[in-house]
Amino acid sequence: EADIYQTPRYLVIGTGKKITLECSQTMGHDKMYWYQQDPGMELHLIHYSYGVNSTEKGDLSSESTVSRIRTEHFPLTLESARPSHTSQYLCASGGRGRVKETQYFGPGTRLLVL
Amino acid sequence: AQTVTQSQPEMSVQEAETVTLSCTYDTSESNYYLFWYKQPPSRQMILVIRQEAYKQQNATENRFSVNFQKAAKSFSLKISDSQLGDTAMYFCALGQGAQKLVFGQGTRLTINP
Repeated sequence: EADIYQTPRYLVIGTGKKITLECSQTMGHDKMYWYQQDPGMELHLIHYSYGVNSTEKGDLSSESTVSRIRTEHFPLTLESARPSHTSQYLCASGGRGRVKETQYFGPGTRLLVL
Repeated sequence: AQTVTQSQPEMSVQEAETVTLSCTYDTSESNYYLFWYKQPPSRQMILVIRQEAYKQQNATENRFSVNFQKAAKSFSLKISDSQLGDTAMYFCALGQGAQKLVFGQGTRLTINP
């Protein structure tokens, strides 16, 4: 059973606020990912990390930033939230053992910016 | 560039029927992996099945099986004896090594009682 956690699960916040979405995994995976997904739509990669102190931007441009100071932790930050940031954010991890190519997903954070 | 195409936005079948979801992909690499993920209405993405491109044998997981046609770049998912709990969005994904995944647009599958 994959253990990857995201908090908060739901967040309603006003425009201009700074927010941090948390993602933690207990599987010892070196690779972690952030995806953005609008309801019923495909996933778009916005950030990824191949290990501590490694972060890269994904295929979809995003105003968010990420950090990877610890292997198990990969938070995503929006310095100034806007209504266009309203979406679901999914965190995933992978890269260990026989199924290292497989990514395991957290439950997601649904963000609404008013 | 890698691409994944799911041409069926929505499908609906009766409980206990068999249903097949289509997926085609494009990649210039010879070594890659293909996945089917399920996202129920609760929105947690769950791995259904994975296939290594270098393996000719089609992967199976209980009621779920794939038809992997490497030359045609096709990777369909068959769900046998469908159950109400199979109702979900299904995403086909393509990956290489332990790198990024490219997802298809998804197919919304509804199992009717």
